[in-house]
Amino acid sequence: AQSVAQPEDQVNVAEGNPLTVKCTYSVSGNPYLFWYVQYPNRGLQFLLKYITGDNLVKGSYGFEAEFNKSQTSFHLKKPSALVSDSALYFCAVRDRRNTGFQKLVFGTGTRLLVSP
Amino acid sequence: DSGVTQTPKHLITATGQRVTLRCSPRSGDLSVYWYQQSLDQGLQFLIHYYNGEERAKGNILERFSAQQFPDLHSELNLSSLELGDSALYFCASSPGPRDMDEQYFGPGTRLTVT
Repeated sequence: AQSVAQPEDQVNVAEGNPLTVKCTYSVSGNPYLFWYVQYPNRGLQFLLKYITGDNLVKGSYGFEAEFNKSQTSFHLKKPSALVSDSALYFCAVRDRRNTGFQKLVFGTGTRLLVSP
Repeated sequence: DSGVTQTPKHLITATGQRVTLRCSPRSGDLSVYWYQQSLDQGLQFLIHYYNGEERAKGNILERFSAQQFPDLHSELNLSSLELGDSALYFCASSPGPRDMDEQYFGPGTRLTVT
């Protein structure tokens, strides 16, 4: 079975400071990992994904994430937060094993609040 | 704007009723996914269609059904509605059948069952 955990319901950070939103996963094989963002009253928006290759993945709006296999983590980071980054962030995972379709499993979401 | 459209935006109905939610994928996308988002269960995958054929089922109740039409739009039918079916229903699309592709989400349909 595959699962993903976002241990923090909310992350508070001041504008201009670096931010980290944590995600850990559990899969039997190797993972595909994704980050999505949801702004109020909107659908989810793709930020970035890890499929293979470089462990540091760069995505939209200055976000990046680092795949750490030994710690089974895929934390989302940004060097300098903006007030407009305030939103709900979802990590998602699926097992890469080719055993037919396996659904994308989403975490429970972390609310990021960036204060001016 | 993701290019995925969903109608209606809001839907209020009574228990026991049946509703149909509609989704049009991004131009060129052949896959459509349906998700349910509720406060207690988070974001749950319901079903995936690719080019008119069902590819995978998730946590979809037997009272729910879906289809993808030749023009690639999709409909999610919810019947014998219960209070617990109140949720946001999202549709997402992607170009192909591979679930390693990123998905593009519509704005959602908010269903309220009273």
